[in-house]
Amino acid sequence: KAGVTQTPRYLIKTRGQQVTLSCSPISGHRSVSWYQQTPGQGLQFLFEYFSETQRNKGNFPGRFSGRQFSNSRSEMNVSTLELGDSALYLCASSPRTSGTYTDTQYFGPGTRLTVL
Amino acid sequence: DQQVKQNSPSLSVQEGRISILNCDYTNSMFDYFLWYKKYPAEGPTFLISISSIKDKNEDGRFTVFLNKSAKHLSLHIVPSQPGDSAVYFCAASLYKAGNMLTFGGGTRLMVKP
Repeated sequence: KAGVTQTPRYLIKTRGQQVTLSCSPISGHRSVSWYQQTPGQGLQFLFEYFSETQRNKGNFPGRFSGRQFSNSRSEMNVSTLELGDSALYLCASSPRTSGTYTDTQYFGPGTRLTVL
Repeated sequence: DQQVKQNSPSLSVQEGRISILNCDYTNSMFDYFLWYKKYPAEGPTFLISISSIKDKNEDGRFTVFLNKSAKHLSLHIVPSQPGDSAVYFCAASLYKAGNMLTFGGGTRLMVKP
């Protein structure tokens, strides 16, 4: 099975712009979660999507949004970029065999976003 | 506030010896704990997990111990191999919060040949 793929792998944007990142989960996985990794804050949960619905949301401003399509692919969008949004954005997929309990999540390689 | 902490940013161990990575948490509502390993330019890879109803889980060279009263977990790698050199993250989740993981800051393990 192919792993989780994320595109693009690297991205450079300027302050004030917006950006869309894409994630294709492992075939058959229905849950996609997004995380932000920065040197200062570490790995932080952004949100989880399951069956096109946002199931959980982390403590991030409304500039961060996401969506999931019927084929389980997911996108996340950051509007009005700030310098502090420079980070590695990781996507993880899981089968979501249980409605509430934690699955094993499989991570993609991430998208490195640099905001100038 | 950091609810999951890994107080040792780095650890160096000789090949063949035991590696012990530690993790502390403050939220007593966490009920599931996981360890992930991360190589540069790759996403984290799941290693092993433990439910709060257990105090030990073993998988090959990897064993995770959970001490709920101390809010502490540890990952033991025996024997350590050079290929184990990576950054290790512990993570925790809340009951019924599904896949929302809270991660520690990571510990860089270096296994010397």
